[in-house]
Amino acid sequence: GEDVEQSLFLSVREGDSSVINCTYTDSSSTYLYWYKQEPGAGLQLLTYIFSNMDMKQDQRLTVLLNKKDKHLSLRIADTQTGDSAIYFCAETASGGSYIPTFGRGTSLIVHP
Amino acid sequence: SQTIHQWPATLVQPVGSPLSLECTVEGTSNPNLYWYRQAAGRGLQLLFYSVGIGQISSEVPQNLSASRPQDRQFILSSKKLLLSDSGFYLCAWSGQGVHEQFFGPGTRLTVL
Repeated sequence: GEDVEQSLFLSVREGDSSVINCTYTDSSSTYLYWYKQEPGAGLQLLTYIFSNMDMKQDQRLTVLLNKKDKHLSLRIADTQTGDSAIYFCAETASGGSYIPTFGRGTSLIVHP
Repeated sequence: SQTIHQWPATLVQPVGSPLSLECTVEGTSNPNLYWYRQAAGRGLQLLFYSVGIGQISSEVPQNLSASRPQDRQFILSSKKLLLSDSGFYLCAWSGQGVHEQFFGPGTRLTVL
């Protein structure tokens, strides 16, 4: 079945860039997502990329997709303490149901 | 604009007691609705999804059930809670044929 893998923790200094990585196994993935979860809250859709793209930029966020290696990354420029959260990678496969498979989440800790 | 509500926000229940969690969506019609569970330190597990009133698909065998009595209302229930039912329950919605999912604020359930 489909599998989405992420490292569990990332610690960065405020002002540095953060790069959160994700790998997936489903070669028929159609959309790939990054969600942010702040403590005690639901998931917020940050951005997504269609599988025929290799890069998407939205303000401080840059998503890179290497479809050959099935590798997705989220880069956060100028990381702030407010960026501290759990970041989930997810993918949906073609077929119309659009039910995503989520990774276990990467806990980003930003320290001064 | 669309909003999604969940209640209660927090719940502490004894083992063997019943459960009813409610999710409602405003500002859209005929949404797809989803229940997820997030156990501590783990990713999201899809429990149920619904593409219409009275239509429920179960993803994993368990002690829980779901119902959709109205178009924008999704209920998660149990007749007798187990300790292992503790977790953070998230409701989500998506538009028909639309791939993005949007999450509610979640319900923290503790079974003692």
